[in-house]
Amino acid sequence: RKEVEQDPGPFNVPEGATVAFNCTYSNSASQSFFWYRQDCRKEPKLLMSVYSSGNEDGRFTAQLNRASQYISLLIRDSKLSDSATYLCVVNLPTGANNLFFGTGTRLTVIP
Amino acid sequence: ETGVTQTPRHLVMGMTNKKSLKCEQHLGHNAMYWYKQSAKKPLELMFVYSLEERVENNSVPSRFSPECPNSSHLFLHLHTLQPEDSALYLCASSQDAGSGIEDTQYFGPGTRLTVL
Repeated sequence: RKEVEQDPGPFNVPEGATVAFNCTYSNSASQSFFWYRQDCRKEPKLLMSVYSSGNEDGRFTAQLNRASQYISLLIRDSKLSDSATYLCVVNLPTGANNLFFGTGTRLTVIP
Repeated sequence: ETGVTQTPRHLVMGMTNKKSLKCEQHLGHNAMYWYKQSAKKPLELMFVYSLEERVENNSVPSRFSPECPNSSHLFLHLHTLQPEDSALYLCASSQDAGSGIEDTQYFGPGTRLTVL
């Protein structure tokens, strides 16, 4: 079983739409959670950390459900510039800072 | 953004060549990492260094040899690679090698490696 699983998509949505991505993780001891964004042929960049109580940053909302071991990312009012691959990332307490990445969900926002 | 830099950005090498990838971080971080990203696969952690000491080696073949001379620089020495080693090699750094949110990792732009 993979440590982190995501729907690879692709998600093709019109500008202004709301889109949600889910991610599940297998290890209940996971300690910290993140969403990274990766543009084509570029490095992953931190989009937001995910806090237990859920958190919002502008048009982006992240939620964590420890009981069901899933993380979600909601993007409201999608912009063309939101087109990217969104990586769900989980940090396991197995020694050093050990991040496990999902394969990513590809989003394309269409004009 | 110049927090984490990597050189070269692109590298083509033969299976008998020896080359090195370089990473430098300007963030004052104590931990540095090497990752491999192959097409349609998730990022794979290769090595972790904390305060210049290697703290994790995820069963990486010996043809990959990391070196961390100080907390700002990290190298990946390559020799006798195979075509399946072709991938994007990403360097990252974090404040420390802990597992909390405060130890968020920041990535360099990567070196796209092609092994012929």
